Amino acid sequence: QKEVEQDPGPLSVPEGAIVSLNCTYSNSAFQYFMWYRQYSRKGPELLMYTYSSGNKEDGRFTAQVDKSSKYISLFIRDSQPSDSATYLCAMSPPPGSYQLTFGKGTKLSVIP
Amino acid sequence: DSGVTQTPKHLITATGQRVTLRCSPRSGDLSVYWYQQSLDQGLQFLIQYYNGEERAKGNILERFSAQQFPDLHSELNLSSLELGDSALYFCASSAGGAPPYEQYFGPGTRLTVT
Repeated sequence: QKEVEQDPGPLSVPEGAIVSLNCTYSNSAFQYFMWYRQYSRKGPELLMYTYSSGNKEDGRFTAQVDKSSKYISLFIRDSQPSDSATYLCAMSPPPGSYQLTFGKGTKLSVIP
Repeated sequence: DSGVTQTPKHLITATGQRVTLRCSPRSGDLSVYWYQQSLDQGLQFLIQYYNGEERAKGNILERFSAQQFPDLHSELNLSSLELGDSALYFCASSAGGAPPYEQYFGPGTRLTVT
């Protein structure tokens, strides 16, 4: 079993839809959870990070972590064509190791 | 703009050759990470340096090596290149030393081996 599983998609939604992106993980040592957005042929861009279980909101984006289920989500409200990108989840282990573990990414297309 | 710079943007070279990729981290960041991204493998961690010293190794081939200099910029050296080394190579940086260790990525170097 891979440490981080992420559905590669592709996911295609109409403009204005609510998008739900998800990752599951197996290593309970992961403590910090991040979402990156990567446009085609560009570097990943950090969107959000969370530490504990619960929700964190930033504009149209909400990150949700459920440590008991080892499940994290990113919700995008009122999706826009400019949100079309690949979204990667990433997880950080306890202090002492700076290495992130990435999911393979979900490709999202928002259709006008 | 993440503040991480990488040069060159594109590199085309032949099998068997050697290339050097360069990365400058964000101002104040002490950690530099190198990643390889290909279509089938996703983002693969290669190696991390923290304040000039190697901190962690991932799936880095013996033909690849890296270093971080006193001014904190880093170079990734790829030698005896093979067709399969064609990929996007990203550098990322983080402050290091305290969680959550979020990393900021550069724009990448696209390497094509012919």
